[in-house]
Amino acid sequence: AQSVAQPEDQVNVAEGNPLTVKCTYSVSGNPYLFWYVQYPNRGLQFLLKYITGDNLVKGSYGFEAEFNKSQTSFHLKKPSALVSDSALYFCAVRDETGANNLFFGTGTRLTVIP
Amino acid sequence: NAGVMQNPRHLVRRRGQEARLRCSPMKGHSHVYWYRQLPEEGLKFMVYLQKENIIDESGMPKERFSAEFPKEGPSILRIQQVVRGDSAAYFCASSPLAGEWETQYFGPGTRLLVL
Repeated sequence: AQSVAQPEDQVNVAEGNPLTVKCTYSVSGNPYLFWYVQYPNRGLQFLLKYITGDNLVKGSYGFEAEFNKSQTSFHLKKPSALVSDSALYFCAVRDETGANNLFFGTGTRLTVIP
Repeated sequence: NAGVMQNPRHLVRRRGQEARLRCSPMKGHSHVYWYRQLPEEGLKFMVYLQKENIIDESGMPKERFSAEFPKEGPSILRIQQVVRGDSAAYFCASSPLAGEWETQYFGPGTRLLVL
């Protein structure tokens, strides 16, 4: 069965510092991995995905994520955080053979401190 | 190209009433997914539909909930005889039949409050 873990409920980082939001997953077969961002009272916005290919994927707003098969992780990163990056971030996974739906983590609230 | 549209954005119902939530997928998308987000939680899958077909409803509660995606018009998530525990944000997502089929794009959600 698919599952996603986001071990940190809250991440605080100073503006201009690098940020990392952690995600680990469990699926049967090869994973399809996604990051979404949710601003208050809004829907989820797609940031980036890993399907196949380079382990480092680049997405919207300067975010990137690294797929690590041995550690079953897909951490979200950004070299220099902005106050406007403060939001709720969700990692999601689906496998290549099973259900069509996404399995979401419980989310990590990122706060960038000016 | 308009994104996924959902209406209403906010819906207030009293216990026992019916709630109807609508979702219009992005142009060219024929797959629709419904998710529910309870306060302080991630999204939980409810149902996956293609035009006129329910493909996977493994996440739907067995009673009171139903979904459809007719040949014409939006997808509808219907909750009969609502209870307070149905209060949540309901999100619809869509993806195309071909191309970037693996990526789901989400609507702004409908926030249901049951009094």
